[in-house]
Amino acid sequence: GDSVTQMEGPVTLSEEAFLTINCTYTATGYPSLFWYVQYPGEGLQLLLKATKADDKGSNKGFEATYRKETTSFHLEKGSVQVSDSAVYFCALRNSNSGYALNFGKGTSLLVTP
Amino acid sequence: DTGVSQNPRHKITKRGQNVTFRCDPISEHNRLYWYRQTLGQGPEFLTYFQNEAQLEKSRLLSDRFSAERPKGSFSTLEIQRTEQGDSAMYLCASRAASTEAFFGQGTRLTVV
Repeated sequence: GDSVTQMEGPVTLSEEAFLTINCTYTATGYPSLFWYVQYPGEGLQLLLKATKADDKGSNKGFEATYRKETTSFHLEKGSVQVSDSAVYFCALRNSNSGYALNFGKGTSLLVTP
Repeated sequence: DTGVSQNPRHKITKRGQNVTFRCDPISEHNRLYWYRQTLGQGPEFLTYFQNEAQLEKSRLLSDRFSAERPKGSFSTLEIQRTEQGDSAMYLCASRAASTEAFFGQGTRLTVV
Protein backbone atom coordinates (compact mmCIF):
# COMPACT_ATOMS: atom_id res chain seq x y z
CA GLY A 1 0.00 0.00 0.00
CA ASP A 2 0.89 3.67 -0.08
CA SER A 3 3.36 4.96 2.49
CA VAL A 4 5.37 8.05 3.43
CA THR A 5 8.78 8.05 5.08
CA GLN A 6 10.22 11.14 6.74
CA MET A 7 13.57 11.79 8.27
CA GLU A 8 13.51 11.29 12.00
CA GLY A 9 13.81 14.20 14.34
CA PRO A 10 14.18 16.11 16.38
CA VAL A 11 15.98 18.60 14.22
CA THR A 12 17.59 21.51 16.06
CA LEU A 13 18.81 24.54 14.11
CA SER A 14 19.99 28.01 14.91
CA GLU A 15 17.95 30.92 13.64
CA GLU A 16 18.70 31.79 9.99
CA ALA A 17 20.06 28.31 9.24
CA PHE A 18 19.02 26.37 6.13
CA LEU A 19 16.40 23.67 6.65
CA THR A 20 15.85 20.44 4.78
CA ILE A 21 13.40 17.77 5.93
CA ASN A 22 13.50 14.70 3.73
CA CYS A 23 10.35 12.92 2.61
CA THR A 24 10.03 9.95 0.27
CA TYR A 25 6.90 8.09 -0.70
CA THR A 26 5.65 4.83 -2.14
CA ALA A 27 2.41 4.96 -4.07
CA THR A 28 0.67 3.64 -7.12
CA GLY A 29 -0.59 6.07 -9.69
CA TYR A 30 -0.17 9.80 -9.36
CA PRO A 31 -0.70 10.99 -5.80
CA SER A 32 -0.85 14.56 -4.60
CA LEU A 33 1.79 15.46 -2.02
CA PHE A 34 1.50 17.74 0.99
CA TRP A 35 3.36 19.21 3.91
CA TYR A 36 1.31 19.91 7.03
CA VAL A 37 2.60 21.74 10.10
CA GLN A 38 1.50 21.43 13.71
CA TYR A 39 2.51 24.29 15.97
CA PRO A 40 2.50 23.66 19.72
CA GLY A 41 -1.05 23.47 21.03
CA GLU A 42 -2.62 23.90 17.61
CA GLY A 43 -4.22 21.71 14.98
CA LEU A 44 -2.67 20.54 11.74
CA GLN A 45 -2.38 23.22 9.09
CA LEU A 46 -1.66 22.81 5.42
CA LEU A 47 1.72 24.36 4.63
CA LEU A 48 2.06 23.59 0.93
CA LYS A 49 1.12 21.05 -1.71
CA ALA A 50 1.99 19.78 -5.18
CA THR A 51 -0.35 17.80 -7.37
CA LYS A 52 1.85 16.55 -10.19
CA ALA A 53 5.43 15.75 -11.03
CA ASP A 54 7.85 18.68 -11.10
CA ASP A 55 5.34 20.99 -9.40
CA LYS A 56 6.82 23.17 -6.69
CA GLY A 57 4.70 24.05 -3.70
CA SER A 58 5.64 27.11 -1.67
CA ASN A 59 4.35 29.07 1.30
CA LYS A 60 5.82 31.23 4.07
CA GLY A 61 9.33 30.81 2.66
CA PHE A 62 9.06 27.02 2.61
CA GLU A 63 9.14 25.09 -0.63
CA ALA A 64 9.09 21.50 -1.86
CA THR A 65 9.32 19.99 -5.34
CA TYR A 66 7.45 16.86 -6.41
CA ARG A 67 10.15 14.56 -7.82
CA LYS A 68 8.61 11.50 -9.36
CA GLU A 69 11.93 10.02 -10.47
CA THR A 70 13.17 9.91 -6.88
CA THR A 71 9.69 9.64 -5.28
CA SER A 72 10.58 12.52 -3.03
CA PHE A 73 9.06 15.76 -1.72
CA HIS A 74 11.72 17.32 0.49
CA LEU A 75 10.82 20.44 2.47
CA GLU A 76 13.29 23.33 2.40
CA LYS A 77 13.59 26.82 3.82
CA GLY A 78 16.52 29.11 3.31
CA SER A 79 16.48 30.86 6.68
CA VAL A 80 14.46 29.49 9.58
CA GLN A 81 13.01 31.54 12.39
CA VAL A 82 12.23 30.67 16.00
CA SER A 83 8.54 30.80 15.06
CA ASP A 84 9.06 27.89 12.63
CA SER A 85 9.50 25.54 15.60
CA ALA A 86 6.81 22.90 15.09
CA VAL A 87 6.21 19.34 13.93
CA TYR A 88 6.16 18.90 10.15
CA PHE A 89 4.26 16.08 8.47
CA CYS A 90 4.66 14.92 4.90
CA ALA A 91 1.55 13.33 3.43
CA LEU A 92 0.13 11.96 0.23
CA ARG A 93 -3.37 11.63 -1.10
CA ASN A 94 -4.26 9.07 -3.71
CA SER A 95 -7.47 8.51 -5.58
CA ASN A 96 -7.37 4.83 -4.70
CA SER A 97 -7.64 5.56 -0.96
CA GLY A 98 -10.86 7.55 -0.78
CA TYR A 99 -8.85 10.75 -0.90
CA ALA A 100 -7.78 10.33 2.70
CA LEU A 101 -4.36 11.64 3.64
CA ASN A 102 -1.56 9.16 4.34
CA PHE A 103 0.93 10.78 6.73
CA GLY A 104 4.53 10.24 7.64
CA LYS A 105 5.51 10.07 11.31
CA GLY A 106 6.39 13.74 11.52
CA THR A 107 9.64 15.60 12.10
CA SER A 108 10.01 17.89 15.08
CA LEU A 109 11.92 21.11 14.41
CA LEU A 110 13.32 23.34 17.13
CA VAL A 111 14.86 26.64 16.11
CA THR A 112 16.99 28.37 18.73
CA PRO A 113 17.82 32.10 18.84
CA ASP B 1 -16.87 30.40 10.10
CA THR B 2 -14.44 29.41 12.82
CA GLY B 3 -13.13 26.23 11.25
CA VAL B 4 -13.49 22.62 12.28
CA SER B 5 -14.64 22.27 15.87
CA GLN B 6 -14.15 19.18 18.02
CA ASN B 7 -15.60 18.46 21.43
CA PRO B 8 -14.56 17.67 24.02
CA ARG B 9 -10.92 18.71 23.78
CA HIS B 10 -9.92 16.26 26.46
CA LYS B 11 -11.57 13.11 27.80
CA ILE B 12 -10.40 10.84 30.58
CA THR B 13 -12.32 7.62 30.96
CA LYS B 14 -12.04 4.33 32.77
CA ARG B 15 -11.30 1.21 30.84
CA GLY B 16 -14.48 -0.46 29.70
CA GLN B 17 -16.53 2.73 29.49
CA ASN B 18 -18.03 4.10 26.27
CA VAL B 19 -17.05 7.52 24.95
CA THR B 20 -18.40 9.71 22.18
CA PHE B 21 -16.68 12.57 20.40
CA ARG B 22 -18.25 15.21 18.21
CA CYS B 23 -16.93 17.01 15.15
CA ASP B 24 -18.52 20.06 13.55
CA PRO B 25 -17.00 20.60 10.12
CA ILE B 26 -16.78 23.81 8.12
CA SER B 27 -20.35 24.37 7.02
CA GLU B 28 -19.98 24.04 3.25
CA HIS B 29 -17.69 21.00 3.43
CA ASN B 30 -19.42 17.78 2.39
CA ARG B 31 -16.44 15.49 3.11
CA LEU B 32 -15.47 14.57 6.63
CA TYR B 33 -12.59 12.41 7.88
CA TRP B 34 -11.62 10.93 11.23
CA TYR B 35 -7.98 10.19 12.06
CA ARG B 36 -6.19 8.87 15.11
CA GLN B 37 -2.78 10.11 16.21
CA THR B 38 -0.63 8.49 18.85
CA LEU B 39 2.47 10.01 20.41
CA GLY B 40 5.33 10.29 17.98
CA GLN B 41 3.27 9.14 15.02
CA GLY B 42 1.49 10.81 12.18
CA PRO B 43 -2.30 10.77 11.96
CA GLU B 44 -3.77 7.48 10.77
CA PHE B 45 -6.96 7.39 8.73
CA LEU B 46 -10.01 5.86 10.42
CA THR B 47 -13.07 6.66 8.31
CA TYR B 48 -14.49 8.98 5.64
CA PHE B 49 -17.93 10.44 4.99
CA GLN B 50 -19.26 12.14 1.94
CA ASN B 51 -22.41 13.92 3.06
CA GLU B 52 -24.15 11.37 5.33
CA ALA B 53 -22.70 8.29 3.62
CA GLN B 54 -19.78 6.50 5.25
CA LEU B 55 -17.76 5.55 2.19
CA GLU B 56 -14.60 4.09 3.64
CA LYS B 57 -13.42 2.53 6.89
CA SER B 58 -9.86 1.66 7.80
CA ARG B 59 -8.90 -1.73 9.17
CA LEU B 60 -7.92 0.25 12.29
CA LEU B 61 -11.61 0.82 12.96
CA SER B 62 -12.46 -2.22 15.05
CA ASP B 63 -16.01 -3.33 15.84
CA ARG B 64 -15.87 -1.24 19.02
CA PHE B 65 -15.68 1.93 16.95
CA SER B 66 -18.65 3.46 15.18
CA ALA B 67 -19.02 6.76 13.40
CA GLU B 68 -22.08 8.57 12.15
CA ARG B 69 -22.92 11.69 10.23
CA PRO B 70 -26.70 11.59 10.32
CA LYS B 71 -27.61 14.73 8.42
CA GLY B 72 -24.43 15.29 6.53
CA SER B 73 -23.34 17.99 8.94
CA PHE B 74 -21.73 17.13 12.30
CA SER B 75 -20.27 13.72 12.97
CA THR B 76 -19.83 11.56 16.06
CA LEU B 77 -17.24 8.91 16.79
CA GLU B 78 -18.12 6.42 19.52
CA ILE B 79 -15.76 3.95 21.14
CA GLN B 80 -17.38 1.18 23.14
CA ARG B 81 -15.66 -0.75 25.93
CA THR B 82 -12.58 1.44 25.80
CA GLU B 83 -9.14 -0.11 26.18
CA GLN B 84 -5.87 1.50 27.19
CA GLY B 85 -4.66 1.14 23.62
CA ASP B 86 -7.40 3.52 22.54
CA SER B 87 -5.60 6.39 24.25
CA ALA B 88 -4.74 8.82 21.46
CA MET B 89 -5.62 12.12 19.85
CA TYR B 90 -8.68 11.80 17.62
CA LEU B 91 -8.65 14.29 14.76
CA CYS B 92 -11.45 15.37 12.50
CA ALA B 93 -10.93 17.03 9.13
CA SER B 94 -13.31 18.38 6.54
CA ARG B 95 -13.05 19.51 2.96
CA ALA B 96 -15.06 20.42 -0.07
CA ALA B 97 -14.31 19.00 -3.50
CA SER B 98 -12.39 22.14 -4.38
CA THR B 99 -10.44 22.58 -1.15
CA GLU B 100 -7.84 20.78 0.85
CA ALA B 101 -8.51 19.30 4.27
CA PHE B 102 -8.91 21.53 7.31
CA PHE B 103 -8.27 19.89 10.65
CA GLY B 104 -9.78 20.47 14.05
CA GLN B 105 -7.65 20.66 17.18
CA GLY B 106 -8.56 17.14 18.15
CA THR B 107 -9.94 15.30 21.16
CA ARG B 108 -7.31 13.79 23.42
CA LEU B 109 -8.56 10.54 24.95
CA THR B 110 -6.89 9.00 27.98
CA VAL B 111 -8.09 5.59 29.11
CA VAL B 112 -7.10 4.76 32.68
